[in-house]
Amino acid sequence: KNEVEQSPQNLTAQEGEFITINCSYSVGISALHWLQQHPGGGIVSLFMLSSGKKKHGRLIATINIQEKHSSLHITASHPRDSAVYICAVRSSYNTDKLIFGTGTRLQVFP
Amino acid sequence: GAVVSQHPSWVICKSGTSVKIECRSLDFQATTMFWYRQFPKQSLMLMATSNEGSKATYEQGVEKDKFLINHASLTLSTLTVTSAHPEDSSFYICSAVGDRLYGYTFGSGTRLTVV
Repeated sequence: KNEVEQSPQNLTAQEGEFITINCSYSVGISALHWLQQHPGGGIVSLFMLSSGKKKHGRLIATINIQEKHSSLHITASHPRDSAVYICAVRSSYNTDKLIFGTGTRLQVFP
Repeated sequence: GAVVSQHPSWVICKSGTSVKIECRSLDFQATTMFWYRQFPKQSLMLMATSNEGSKATYEQGVEKDKFLINHASLTLSTLTVTSAHPEDSSFYICSAVGDRLYGYTFGSGTRLTVV
């Protein structure tokens, strides 16, 4: 079993829909990251969370430390949001290495 | 914000030759850099961790003599794929950590094709 699990693996949506991607982890963490990887391969860091909730534009990320669960929400989705979204955690015991989820491939159609 | 520049973005080389990939932090000092490999439709696989001025720490199963990592300064790390073979063809990406307040910054990746 992976230490970081994401669901769903694949997601298709119509433009304007509200999207939720989930991440569960089984290790103690010092921080959780949500990353976005576009088809060209480059990766952008969207959020770094250690508690609570963060919002940036149409993106919202939440984390529940007790339940070891995080969600990434996209409001009013747009075709340009199509990408792979990756959850990654930094272990409490190794302060620098990231443990990656397998990613969620999102396609938003106009 | 923090920017990491990775070059080249793609490279094609012949079997047996060596290829160097550079990763530079443009506006911050990267105390630690990570090198990852990614196969199609799979997640990132950590190859090694490099700290400025010291030897890189390689993950299990990664050949250190094949994937040479140098982190000579706080803004530059290089990955050299030596004696490349077609099975080394992959997407390689680096990330850098400076001030942990900003987390990780990723390079744009290098697609290596060995023919």
